[in-house]
Amino acid sequence: EIVMTQSPLSLSVTPGQPASLSCKSSQTLLHTNGKTSLYWYLQKAGQSPHLLIYEVSTRFSGVSDRFNGSGSGTDFTLKISRVAAEDVGVYYCMQGYQLPWTFGQGTKVEIK
Amino acid sequence: QVQLVQSGAEVKKPGSSVKLSCKVSGGRFRSYGFNWVRQAPGQGLEWMGRVIPTLDMTDYAQNFQGRVTIIADKSTGIVYLEVGSLRSDDTAVYFCASGYDYGVTWGQGTLVTVSS
Repeated sequence: EIVMTQSPLSLSVTPGQPASLSCKSSQTLLHTNGKTSLYWYLQKAGQSPHLLIYEVSTRFSGVSDRFNGSGSGTDFTLKISRVAAEDVGVYYCMQGYQLPWTFGQGTKVEIK
Repeated sequence: QVQLVQSGAEVKKPGSSVKLSCKVSGGRFRSYGFNWVRQAPGQGLEWMGRVIPTLDMTDYAQNFQGRVTIIADKSTGIVYLEVGSLRSDDTAVYFCASGYDYGVTWGQGTLVTVSS
């Protein structure tokens, strides 16, 4: 199965400052049709995960434009341009390239 | 937009089985794939398997093969997860999530506690 590795595992950010989260996969997530099956979720305390970004860089409906995904092949990044209090939680990257879906360990984002 | 409402918390003895439900509303049941993902206390997310009702197809993670069954009841719009031979390390929150390649919409989660 594909191993997803996230870094850092925790991040403390001053409100209004940017944050950068990294995710690496053990093999390419690029399909021959050009689609890359890399997704980002945010799980707030006591809630279920909710989708932020699909296929590397497309924001899901209603997601703030402060969230931007990028990357290719095996290396991916989620950037939050200006961290706000409501962004606190654990961010997971996930691959849907092949079954089983696998998730990174998560990056816990806190506010300073 | 599809909504997923899961059944309530369960407490089970080791060796027993549990059957969880996920009621689908607000969308075309047959158009979606439905996945189960679990999260042990303080831990990350683990995909268990999925069902695609239109194809009558199921897939399971190797870790759960033979111990887990996922069923879609097309007449009621409910997806079920049954886990047998429960162990203490099956204590977790179990989520259903709709989607083929990724979880678009997630249920609220069901806590299963396995304890003697």
